[in-house]
Amino acid sequence: GNSVTQMEGPVTLSEEAFLTINCTYTATGYPSLFWYVQYPGEGLQLLLKATKADDKGSNKGFEATYRKETTSFHLEKGSVQVSDSAVYFCARNTYGGSQGNLIFGKGTKLSVKP
Amino acid sequence: GAGVSQSPSNKVTEKGKDVELRCDPISGHTALYWYRQSLGQGLEFLIYFQGNSAPDKSGLPSDRFSAERTGGSVSTLTIQRTQQEDSAVYLCASSLLDSYGYTFGSGTRLTVV
Repeated sequence: GNSVTQMEGPVTLSEEAFLTINCTYTATGYPSLFWYVQYPGEGLQLLLKATKADDKGSNKGFEATYRKETTSFHLEKGSVQVSDSAVYFCARNTYGGSQGNLIFGKGTKLSVKP
Repeated sequence: GAGVSQSPSNKVTEKGKDVELRCDPISGHTALYWYRQSLGQGLEFLIYFQGNSAPDKSGLPSDRFSAERTGGSVSTLTIQRTQQEDSAVYLCASSLLDSYGYTFGSGTRLTVV
């Protein structure tokens, strides 16, 4: 089937810790992959994306690499800040390229303590 | 407008009543999407409009749910005979044709009592 699976939260880290949020997908083709972030009280925002195998998306110190061999798109950040506390959603599209609706994982809540 | 606008921001309705939720996408965005966000369930795709093509309704959970998009712009999601399990945040998003990533609205929190 077509789905996205991400690690369950909540994840609690101290400031400046290393962050990894795992995400794997199933697909019959080669979807585009995304990470969205939802800060407390706000709407979802696109954090980063990758559109083909081995692409690395990056933004605000976050990175994720499209790994076709492991069907993964893990989110990483070397040093988290309190302001990174949010819910992170991994997603893939359904039609490939830029088209189609997105299928989201269930979200991972990150809490960063000072 | 500058962003995707949804109204109302909050709606409390009695079980069995009909509700209409409105989405005003970013001007010029040809694609419009409705999602539902429930606690513990993540984001559930409902319906997708792309230009003048027939909408992808594959995510609508029952025939009580319907949506339309008038003039390629504003969209209305209608839920008939609401049930308590319809309580959720309903999110709208829009995007340009051939662009990656959506712009989401702030959502409508629907509570069915």
